[in-house]
Amino acid sequence: GAGVSQSPRYKVAKRGQDVALRCDPISGHVSLFWYQQALGQGPEFLTYFQNEAQLDKSGLPSDRFFAERPEGSVSTLKIQRTQQEDSAVYLCASSLGEDRTQGYTFGSGTRLTVV
Amino acid sequence: GNSVTQMEGPVTLSEEAFLTINCTYTATGYPSLFWYVQYPGEGLQLLLKATKADDKGSNKGFEATYRKETTSFHLEKGSVQVSDSAVYFCALSPSNTGKLIFGQGTTLQVKP
Repeated sequence: GAGVSQSPRYKVAKRGQDVALRCDPISGHVSLFWYQQALGQGPEFLTYFQNEAQLDKSGLPSDRFFAERPEGSVSTLKIQRTQQEDSAVYLCASSLGEDRTQGYTFGSGTRLTVV
Repeated sequence: GNSVTQMEGPVTLSEEAFLTINCTYTATGYPSLFWYVQYPGEGLQLLLKATKADDKGSNKGFEATYRKETTSFHLEKGSVQVSDSAVYFCALSPSNTGKLIFGQGTTLQVKP
């Protein structure tokens, strides 16, 4: 596609509910990142994929967070037993190669509100 | 560890004023440095970048120079427009990873 697509744009979850957030990167992009952006803050790194391999998951805040990219394209971020502190915008970004000096293309994000 | 510190906002300027948004960083090795911009209702967009010391990144009239001696990457523009109103994020990518580490963002409001 023309850009990085994320769905849904907005998600309201009751505390304790499981949620799944989807990211469609630009076709052919090798690298895919997930970030969490709390209100009024900069994005914080969650996890990184190179094709289907999850090379870095050091930013995942707890074992309730899980990400996958089974075929090296679409990725899903899953949050189990959501808590109020999980409320944030979740951003996905992708890039063509592994060159860290290139900027990434970001999606518009999914705004998660846990009530 | 690696971190980025930006000047706190909001920054309010009149149209055609000179803009500086300060950014300093802490990093080991040789990071790449970036400025991203987030316009109202839109996603993050790369504004400019610099990959090594003394490099100058520039785009849309904005400039920033990678200063290793002062660990800074200040964003400047000579004459701002109302359309520049947005949130600006300074970020670094550490030398051994591809991830980005962001500052907290600085809101710029330009009044006509």
